[in-house]
Amino acid sequence: GDSVTQMEGPVTLSEEAFLTINCTYTATGYPSLFWYVQYPGEGLQLLLKATKADDKGSNKGFEATYRKETTSFHLEKGSVQVSDSAVYFCALSDGAGGTSYGKLTFGQGTILTVHP
Amino acid sequence: EAGVAQSPRYKIIEKRQSVAFWCNPISGHATLYWYQQILGQGPKLLIQFQNNGVVDDSQLPKDRFSAERLKGVDSTLKIQPAKLEDSAVYLCASSKQGVPQETQYFGPGTRLLVL
Repeated sequence: GDSVTQMEGPVTLSEEAFLTINCTYTATGYPSLFWYVQYPGEGLQLLLKATKADDKGSNKGFEATYRKETTSFHLEKGSVQVSDSAVYFCALSDGAGGTSYGKLTFGQGTILTVHP
Repeated sequence: EAGVAQSPRYKIIEKRQSVAFWCNPISGHATLYWYQQILGQGPKLLIQFQNNGVVDDSQLPKDRFSAERLKGVDSTLKIQPAKLEDSAVYLCASSKQGVPQETQYFGPGTRLLVL
């Protein structure tokens, strides 16, 4: 079945440091890939997405490129801020096989803490 | 536009009791999802509705969980009887059509503690 594996956390960085959160996936077909974020006290919200191979999703300075050859969708940001402290979830949605069309399969989440 | 609404936000019950959660999706969204998020894990789909029909309930523990979507809009998720392992956050999400490339919009969740 479909699965998503994220790097072990938590991740602690100083402000302005470079961020990478690794994400790899297993899927039957050609999934769409997502990064969702959960800020403290708030609900899950979409950070960025990519729907086909080699697409790059970007938002708020974050980027991730859909790499079909390595089945990866790593999240990067060049200079993190304290306000980026949150839990980040990698997810996929795979319409292949006739099963739940559009359902998200999530990784376990990575807690990011950014210190001033 | 208004987001996905859920209630209650918190609920504490004892094991073997019953509990119900309510969700109101974004207006016009045909697809509604219920996810269970256990502490330290990513959300896991329990059930997906397309309008008022069930698309996927393969991971719903049907001996104790039930869900319905009245008139293709609001939805309720019920647990009866609850077990300790049901302690989790229950997330409702909606999307326009339920296709893989769509964004899903999540509600704030209902945090359930079973004692």
